[in-house]
Amino acid sequence: GENVEQHPSTLSVQEGDSAVIKCTYSDSASNYFPWYKQELGKRPQLIIDIRSNVGEKKDQRIAVTLNKTAKHFSLHITETQPEDSAVYFCAASWRNNDMRFGAGTRLTVKP
Amino acid sequence: NAGVMQNPRHLVRRRGQEARLRCSPMKGHSHVYWYRQLPEEGLKFMVYLQKENIIDESGMPKERFSAEFPKEGPSILRIQQVVRGDSAAYFCASSRSGTDGGEQYFGPGTRLTVT
Repeated sequence: GENVEQHPSTLSVQEGDSAVIKCTYSDSASNYFPWYKQELGKRPQLIIDIRSNVGEKKDQRIAVTLNKTAKHFSLHITETQPEDSAVYFCAASWRNNDMRFGAGTRLTVKP
Repeated sequence: NAGVMQNPRHLVRRRGQEARLRCSPMKGHSHVYWYRQLPEEGLKFMVYLQKENIIDESGMPKERFSAEFPKEGPSILRIQQVVRGDSAAYFCASSRSGTDGGEQYFGPGTRLTVT
């Protein structure tokens, strides 16, 4: 089955700096890669996603890149703000919507 | 359009009792997923269901745990003879049908505490 690895497990940045979170996956059949943000005590919320026929996608301060050959994808947050502090999860989905998540990255943005 | 609904939001059970967690998917969604999250940890896949079918239960313990998604009504995750280690947040997610890989939308979770 699919195995998703995520790094780093914790990340601390100064407000205004950029943050990058990286994930790798094992199943070359995976074709959909979402990113979720989870604030303390709340449900995971989808923030951006990318499909295997696209190499990069951007939404305001958030961007995701995908390298299918290397089987890795990354989340980039620019101009970080304190409200970006949360746990971020990457995921990979394949055949018939099955999905597996990375272990999460706890991002802290210091004012 | 109501989102994914889960109930109860909090559930306290004594060791040995049964826990039943319910999940109603978003309107138009026919795929349901259950995940377990321990404090300070990630989302561990448990089971993936479509109406009246279990598609993938590879993440669910073989004993004491079962899940169903009947033709009518919510999906139910059932834990028999609960133990302290079952204490966790259980999230349900739903997605539309299809084979391309689709967005999963999460419910608010049920926080199970076993005393």
